[in-house]
Amino acid sequence: NAGVTQTPKFRVLKTGQSMTLLCAQDMNHEYMYWYRQDPGMGLRLIHYSVGEGTTAKGEVPDGYNVSRLKKQNFLLGLESAAPSQTSVYFCASSSLRDEKLFFGSGTQLSVL
Amino acid sequence: GENVEQHPSTLSVQEGDSAVIKCTYSDSASNYFPWYKQELGKRPQLIIDIRSNVGEKKDQRIAVTLNKTAKHFSLHITETQPEDSAVYFCAATGGSQGNLIFGKGTKLSVKP
Repeated sequence: NAGVTQTPKFRVLKTGQSMTLLCAQDMNHEYMYWYRQDPGMGLRLIHYSVGEGTTAKGEVPDGYNVSRLKKQNFLLGLESAAPSQTSVYFCASSSLRDEKLFFGSGTQLSVL
Repeated sequence: GENVEQHPSTLSVQEGDSAVIKCTYSDSASNYFPWYKQELGKRPQLIIDIRSNVGEKKDQRIAVTLNKTAKHFSLHITETQPEDSAVYFCAATGGSQGNLIFGKGTKLSVKP
């Protein structure tokens, strides 16, 4: 039982490049989330999903897109990376009956 | 929307002393208040949570208190140990979808 797994762990992009972060969970959780963490800013919600095929915007959605084609996977895409998107990205999941979040190990993204 | 303020941003205590971190929230409809601990380079992990129908909850050396009238809740750590050193985040449910909104974090340092 791996919990929540994120790939990759580290990535360096040039401004304007695109990339996709993958999140996978094996706990059969209905809800999945993408957060970004910046120094002194806490965890801010980018997008989330309440079930397969559904997505919704969080606090800071601009510049990101997401997809949830399978219940266990939640993808975060950057179509044209900007230096302001340099951050640590965390995926999380929770069950329908419980607000407790289970986080992945994070992805350190640097945009040059 | 919901706003969660967390204080202090940094806290340094001697081993064995108590530590208190306070959070205030703005949405009177918030009903779930978790605390997450994040060790350096690791993922956030839930350490304790409280719901709006409870005033206090304890788990060994940690406790959380909630004052719904004043809209604030606090984390109390007694008999601190060096392994308590970490960043602690409070959160509260808020917004139209009831997602968790996080405070900006408190860096706790416990000196031996």
